[in-house]
Amino acid sequence: GENVEQHPSTLSVQEGDSAVIKCTYSDSASNYFPWYKQELGKRPQLIIDIRSNVGEKKDQRIAVTLNKTAKHFSLHITETQPEDSAVYFCAARDSGGYQKVTFGTGTKLQVIP
Amino acid sequence: DADVTQTPRNRITKTGKRIMLECSQTKGHDRMYWYRQDPGLGLRLIYYSFDVKDINKGEISDGYSVSRQAQAKFSLSLESAIPNQTALYFCATSDLARGMASTDTQYFGPGTRLTVL
Repeated sequence: GENVEQHPSTLSVQEGDSAVIKCTYSDSASNYFPWYKQELGKRPQLIIDIRSNVGEKKDQRIAVTLNKTAKHFSLHITETQPEDSAVYFCAARDSGGYQKVTFGTGTKLQVIP
Repeated sequence: DADVTQTPRNRITKTGKRIMLECSQTKGHDRMYWYRQDPGLGLRLIYYSFDVKDINKGEISDGYSVSRQAQAKFSLSLESAIPNQTALYFCATSDLARGMASTDTQYFGPGTRLTVL
């Protein structure tokens, strides 16, 4: 099955700085990589995703990059704001018959005003 | 997202008790999931169901069982609760469209915080 590793587990940045979260996956046939944000006391919600046929995707201050050869993908948040403080989960969808999504262990991002 | 609901939202129980967590959805999705969230361990899949007649074990199914009563309902049971099952439990749904352009966005319920004493 798929194995997803995520780093760092915690990240503190000053407001306005950039934040980068990195993930690696094991199944070279995985083709879909979503990122979820979980605010304190709330449910995880999808913020951005990328398919394996593209290398980068942007949505305002958030971008995701994918390196299929190295089997890693990253979330980039620019001009961080206090409301970006949350736990972020990367995930990868495997190539098995059921195409399950496997989540990373999460990164707690703290944006310091 | 009010389309996925979970009951109860909080539950405290004792070791050895049987407990059921319920999930309902109005999104019309075929796929439903139960996850467990523990600090530092992320979201781990307990069971998943891709239609009413299809139920599969996830990575941590021991000590748990599920029932898919209808497309809209998916229940998780702890037959004999133990303290290390204390965690935050999430139900989720998705509607996978097949093919390269497909995605598998998961919509989570609000979570059930379970404490086993």
